[in-house]
Amino acid sequence: NAGVTQTPKFQVLKTGQSMTLQCAQDMNHEYMSWYRQDPGMGLRLIHYSVGAGITDQGEVPNGYNVSRSTTEDFPLRLLSAAPSQTSVYFCASSYAGSGNTIYFGEGSWLTVV
Amino acid sequence: SQKIEQNSEALNIQEGKTATLTCNYTNYSPAYLQWYRQDPGRGPVFLLLIRENEKEKRKERLKVTFDTTLKQSLFHITASQPADSATYLCALDRTGGTSYGKLTFGQGTILTVHP
Repeated sequence: NAGVTQTPKFQVLKTGQSMTLQCAQDMNHEYMSWYRQDPGMGLRLIHYSVGAGITDQGEVPNGYNVSRSTTEDFPLRLLSAAPSQTSVYFCASSYAGSGNTIYFGEGSWLTVV
Repeated sequence: SQKIEQNSEALNIQEGKTATLTCNYTNYSPAYLQWYRQDPGRGPVFLLLIRENEKEKRKERLKVTFDTTLKQSLFHITASQPADSATYLCALDRTGGTSYGKLTFGQGTILTVHP
C-alpha cells in the first residue's frame, strides 16, 4: 500500500497565482485533513473531511479551498497565493476505528515569492 | 484559548540514557493524547496513543504517561540511541471524543542523542 500520497513535493509560486496540492490515500479511510507546518508553530489544521461530499474548516482556513468528491482524494486549492502561505503542507487520513491515529503524507513544500 | 506546550524546544542526551519529553496543555479536556515522531523532510509518524482513563502506556523502549490533573504527558525513551534523534510531537484531539482527524499539535521537541 502507498498510504497517503501528496504531489507535488516542491513548488514555487508567484504571488497571486493559484494551484492545487493533490492528496490521495489508498487505505479507504473516512477522514482526511490538511495541515500546514511552520517553524515554531506546530502543525495547524486547515480543512478536514469526514467523508465524500463533506468538508469543514479547521483552524486556519482562509485562502484555501477543499472538496472531496471521492473517498480517496482530497485536494487543497490555493486561490490566490500569498507569501504568508509559504509553508510545508501535510495531508493526513484516519478512520473511525483507529483510535484517531492519523497517517500523514510526506509533505509538500510550497514557496510563494 | 486551548494551548499545548512542549517544554523543551531541543533536548540533547547521551546514548544509553533516558530521554524525557514533556507536553503540557491548558483549557482543554482531551479524550486522547498522542505522540508522533517526525524526521527532517518527512511527515509525522504515529508512535503511541494514551486515553484519558489510562495512566501509562508502553511500547518497546517507549513509555507515555498521562496526568489529567496536572494536564501533562511525559514521553520517555529508555536506552536511547542515535537513531532516536528526531522531532517529537504531542497532539490532542479537539472534540473530546472522535476527532475526525482534527488534532491540535504542540510545536515539537528536537531530540538529539549523541554517541
